[in-house]
Amino acid sequence: AQRVTQPEKLLSVFKGAPVELKCNYSYSGSPELFWYVQYSRQRLQLLLRHISRESIKGFTADLNKGETSFHLKKPFAQEEDSAMYYCALIRGSGNTGKLIFGQGTTLQVKP
Amino acid sequence: DADVTQTPRNRITKTGKRIMLECSQTKGHDRMYWYRQDPGLGLRLIYYSFDVKDINKGEISDGYSVSRQAQAKFSLSLESAIPNQTALYFCATSDSGTGGSGANVLTFGAGSRLTVL
Repeated sequence: AQRVTQPEKLLSVFKGAPVELKCNYSYSGSPELFWYVQYSRQRLQLLLRHISRESIKGFTADLNKGETSFHLKKPFAQEEDSAMYYCALIRGSGNTGKLIFGQGTTLQVKP
Repeated sequence: DADVTQTPRNRITKTGKRIMLECSQTKGHDRMYWYRQDPGLGLRLIYYSFDVKDINKGEISDGYSVSRQAQAKFSLSLESAIPNQTALYFCATSDSGTGGSGANVLTFGAGSRLTVL
């Protein structure tokens, strides 16, 4: 079965420290993975997708098929990065728009 | 103005009552979705619609129904609300194409918080 696991409910770091939000998935085919973010009092929004291979707000995520992971990383955390982060996987194949979300990780960046 | 608007934003109701959550969008997207968010469980898909004549069940559709009144409107109904339907409900939209703003990139509403007593 397709599944997304985010093992940490809460990750707390100090400003300037490196951040890694973990995401593991189970999917037998070729996965399409995303990170969505929800800042306080804002809507859930796309942060990045693996097929774009881009860096958004200093965040990057590399798909590791061997480890079935898509961890989100940033070398130096900022206070404005504090938010809820969701890893998501497309259900099935193709452009279905049906996402399977992980449980979410709250990132708290302390001053 | 928001691209995806949900009403009501907050609702408290009693067990057994019928509740409708409404979603409207100005994105011009064909596809609309209803997700439910529960702490520790993430978001789970309730129903989705790829166009006005297309309605599909998601992973947790029991106890819910939907109506796609127009391309821009997709409502979620709880015919007889129960306490374990207390949650934050999100409407989302996407277009049907590929590429940067394709079908797999969702635009979310602000959420409707429902409490069933």
